[in-house]
Amino acid sequence: GEDVEQSLFLSVREGDSSVINCTYTDSSSTYLYWYKQEPGAGLQLLTYIFSNMDMKQDQRLTVLLNKKDKHLSLRIADTQTGDSAIYFCAEKVPGSTLGRLYFGRGTQLTVWP
Amino acid sequence: DAGVIQSPRHEVTEMGQEVTLRCKPISGHDYLFWYRQTMMRGLELLIYFNNNVPIDDSGMPEDRFSAKMPNASFSTLKIQPSEPRDSAVYFCASSFRSAPDTQYFGPGTRLTVL
Repeated sequence: GEDVEQSLFLSVREGDSSVINCTYTDSSSTYLYWYKQEPGAGLQLLTYIFSNMDMKQDQRLTVLLNKKDKHLSLRIADTQTGDSAIYFCAEKVPGSTLGRLYFGRGTQLTVWP
Repeated sequence: DAGVIQSPRHEVTEMGQEVTLRCKPISGHDYLFWYRQTMMRGLELLIYFNNNVPIDDSGMPEDRFSAKMPNASFSTLKIQPSEPRDSAVYFCASSFRSAPDTQYFGPGTRLTVL
């Protein structure tokens, strides 16, 4: 669970959709998370998906999970300038100690007006 | 709820000095995590505690780093002696035992070692 991969940067225009991608390491991971870090702040949990789901929708956010390819994505509809932040993908690897998450490097999302 | 509190928010020190970072977790939380964030290595878990007991310290870089949690409402991360490569943002996070993966992060301490 030590090489969760994310692209580092994404730029979109306000009102467009953003798609942030992540490749995780363990196909048996039980939970996968998206955390958001706004400038100068700590991370905050945005959403998560359990491994028996393929999709989860929460207002403007859609999480898609492809277990076969170990691919997770976060889609933000109608992206706003306030969505500019760093987005981290994280996985819970079975057998790891409780609370232990493996984070990606984060994707810096920049939204242009 | 005040959230996770960290102090200081910024620390500038000279190489060789001792640095102590402080964290107050959210009241009632059972888990406390220390992370380090740098451009080069991203977000690294240094150590975490459950009910004040260290569970996993495999991420602590070397003996210069030490962490303590004397009670449920306070933890420290100490670097002695500090080096320029320790410059980073250090985050503390906490979570409930019923949902240890739902971690609440503090605002971080930005450490600069000259």
